[in-house]
Amino acid sequence: KQEVTQIPAALSVPEGENLVLNCSFTDSAIYNLQWFRQDPGKGLTSLLLIQSSQREQTSGRLNASLDKSSGRSTLYIAASQPGDSATYLCAVSQTGNQFYFGTGTSLTVIP
Amino acid sequence: DVKVTQSSRYLVKRTGEKVFLECVQDMDHENMFWYRQDPGLGLRLIYFSYDVKMKEKGDIPEGYSVSREKKERFSLILESASTNQTSMYLCASSFGPSRGYFGPGTRLTVT
Repeated sequence: KQEVTQIPAALSVPEGENLVLNCSFTDSAIYNLQWFRQDPGKGLTSLLLIQSSQREQTSGRLNASLDKSSGRSTLYIAASQPGDSATYLCAVSQTGNQFYFGTGTSLTVIP
Repeated sequence: DVKVTQSSRYLVKRTGEKVFLECVQDMDHENMFWYRQDPGLGLRLIYFSYDVKMKEKGDIPEGYSVSREKKERFSLILESASTNQTSMYLCASSFGPSRGYFGPGTRLTVT
């Protein structure tokens, strides 16, 4: 069964810093990988989707990379802002029929 | 924009009650999912459906059933609610193995 791990569990940075969130998965036979954002008490918002054939995706200040062979993905956030404070989750899909989630990284950006 | 809606944001039920959680998506997605989210355990898949009247068990189906009579609607049923089913319930939909769209969540408390 696919296991997804996110490190660190929590991260606190001053505003303006660039930061990296890590995600690792045990089975490299994935179809795609997504990064989600979750605000407290709310649902999940998809930030970036990387297909298995891709190496990275970018959206604004966010850049996600995928190294399928090593079972790793990173989410890079440039010039962090207090509004980026949230929990970030990565999820992998193997057959398209379900997403396997990590337990998330709780990010706090201090003004 | 894809919209996934859930019937209630907050729900309080008594032990032994039958509970219905409804989810509706407006983008003709084939796949729909029910997850529960608990602190320290992350998101765990309860059931998913890949077509009308089709369903498959996820990782934790015990104590739950589902119904999908129409493509846009996926219902989660707790046959006899118990306190260990107190959780945040998240519905999601996707078109094949593509980006997942999540609803806002239902926080269920069973007393």
